[in-house]
Amino acid sequence: GAVVSQHPSWVICKSGTSVKIECRSLDFQATTMFWYRQFPKQSLMLMATSNEGSKATYEQGVEKDKFLINHASLTLSTLTVTSAHPEDSSFYICSARIGSYNEQFFGPGTRLTVL
Amino acid sequence: AQKITQTQPGMFVQEKEAVTLDCTYDTSDQSYGLFWYKQPSSGEMIFLIYQGSYDEQNATEGRYSLNFQKARKSANLVISASQLGDSAMYFCAMREGRNTGNQFYFGTGTSLTVIP
Repeated sequence: GAVVSQHPSWVICKSGTSVKIECRSLDFQATTMFWYRQFPKQSLMLMATSNEGSKATYEQGVEKDKFLINHASLTLSTLTVTSAHPEDSSFYICSARIGSYNEQFFGPGTRLTVL
Repeated sequence: AQKITQTQPGMFVQEKEAVTLDCTYDTSDQSYGLFWYKQPSSGEMIFLIYQGSYDEQNATEGRYSLNFQKARKSANLVISASQLGDSAMYFCAMREGRNTGNQFYFGTGTSLTVIP
């Protein structure tokens, strides 16, 4: 099946710093990518929908100035957590869609810990 | 209202036995898709099975089958011949409409533990 990668797989940073997470579709072009956040033992919460070449659509309650999403190409979307705080510590997962395929292909996730 | 409801936070099953994980959904769309994903402790989401709203047959993929009851709006996952490696979180999800860019709605998940 299609492969989606995320980098880094885990990151530890100090409070106040910014962290960039990359999501790449390795063998297909993804016009739409999704960013999710997952707290321990909870479900995935959609943060935003990212379309190549246009601004991301954020879900209600998600601060767009804090979680910057850039979908510069058909194979790369980035999520930047700006001025990270301990409450931003979470598991961040991206997914990508191919054209008319029904399913989403998920990346392996990035575990962020903010000290 | 919740789009996807999974009422079983945790389930136990004996190895080699079958287990059913419950999922109900809520939508007014005629066209939608239902999905099941497995999430092991590593965190990656693994696609298991898909059922389209217009599919008349229940979907099957190896040991996984989806018991689709449209009138009851349920899409239960059946795992036959459970294996120790099946221990994981299982999420039911739905995509409404035909637009492939539409978001997925996830349930709260069921933690499955397979007992040797």
